[in-house]
Amino acid sequence: DVKVTQSSRYLVKRTGEKVFLECVQDMDHENMFWYRQDPGLGLRLIYFSYDVKMKEKGDIPEGYSVSREKKERFSLILESASTNQTSMYLCASSFRWLNQPQHFGDGTRLSIL
Amino acid sequence: RKEVEQDPGPFNVPEGATVAFNCTYSNSASQSFFWYRQDCRKEPKLLMSVYSSGNEDGRFTAQLNRASQYISLLIRDSKLSDSATYLCVVNIGYSTLTFGKGTMLLVSP
Repeated sequence: DVKVTQSSRYLVKRTGEKVFLECVQDMDHENMFWYRQDPGLGLRLIYFSYDVKMKEKGDIPEGYSVSREKKERFSLILESASTNQTSMYLCASSFRWLNQPQHFGDGTRLSIL
Repeated sequence: RKEVEQDPGPFNVPEGATVAFNCTYSNSASQSFFWYRQDCRKEPKLLMSVYSSGNEDGRFTAQLNRASQYISLLIRDSKLSDSATYLCVVNIGYSTLTFGKGTMLLVSP
């Protein structure tokens, strides 16, 4: 079974803090993704990576950055957290080939106060 | 036109009923199609891939209609445990998948 592990299920931070969300997968997947999910807006892609040290912007990258130093690990960074970044954050991974599904971690519910 | 469009529902059905959802997509060049299931406050989980010839997995049947650019999911003999939000997923670009906002299904006793 594919295992995608996110570092925290729930996280509370303050406005202006630098926040790190970590994601690890154990299936040797090339692709990794970060999404946020908000009521009524569905899943929105923040950033993705198709290889170590590679990153691509998704639909809503503003206010976020990412890091992929190792194949199995993909980090999402909120440079200076703001209240509108309160959301459910979901990490996913997949093999590189086109017809491969993505597998998700449990999600991190992040609240910015 | 939205890239991946679904009726948000909710679809309210009794146990044992058959229910079908459709999903339309905008890119005629799309090659990858999936249905995911998402329970309340949980992560999306892959339900099934959708193949050109249609495919079945137990009580679930998925179909693809390329000419009209939609995919469908049919659930037979609905169970209470089928209550969830069903997400239609399509590749719009080369590397990424686009998720619909989901259709909510509520199965009642």
